[in-house]
Amino acid sequence: DIVMTQSPDSLAVSLGERATINCKSSQSVLSTSKNKNYVTWYQQKAGQPPKLLIYWASTRESGVPDRFSGSGSGTDFTLTISSLQADDVAVYYCQQYYRTPWTFGQGTKVEIK
Amino acid sequence: QLQLQESGPGLVKPSETLSLTCTVSGASISSNYYYWAWIRQTPGKGLEWIGTTYYSGSTYYSPSLKSRLTISVDTSRNQFSLKLTSVTAADTAVYYCARLSRVDCSGTSCYTGWFGPWGQGALVTVSS
Repeated sequence: DIVMTQSPDSLAVSLGERATINCKSSQSVLSTSKNKNYVTWYQQKAGQPPKLLIYWASTRESGVPDRFSGSGSGTDFTLTISSLQADDVAVYYCQQYYRTPWTFGQGTKVEIK
Repeated sequence: QLQLQESGPGLVKPSETLSLTCTVSGASISSNYYYWAWIRQTPGKGLEWIGTTYYSGSTYYSPSLKSRLTISVDTSRNQFSLKLTSVTAADTAVYYCARLSRVDCSGTSCYTGWFGPWGQGALVTVSS
């Protein structure tokens, strides 16, 4: 199985500041033939199901604010919230869909400092 | 607007069968563009993909659950279902159903993409 490891487990950021979450896969999730990284990011607020934010490592889902961005390739990926808002308090998960079984990171909890 | 809703017993006894149904509204489950999936979440193991089905009835299961798992689809009711046999306390979780995008299609063969949207989730506790 491909193991997805996120860091840090939690972080506290001041309103308006940048939040950066890292995700590392145990093997490459880049398809060289298609030049695509098979990684997605989800946001889960308390008491709610996960919500899709980003797919193909860097493509924002429709309706997601542009303060959310994804980057990276191969085995190392990053989710950045450029200017943290109160509404962004949540747990964020990365997930690979390169190879079954599809696997998720353990989650990163983002709070307001 | 597409919505998914899980339903089923919230309490199951050890060694018995966990059964859940996901009702899809706002779109047809018989779409060529999507698969349909079950995912569960526990405090200890986090998010775990359980299995996936297509409207044709084809299924894909997590190897760790395959021996106990059956996922089926009922296109007439726009529903898909999960049955997990011989449950233990380790199967206690919030169970989600979700739509799964089909991507990178070549002819009739596609890869799976991302999960979304998700149902609200159903807490299932395994206890005597």
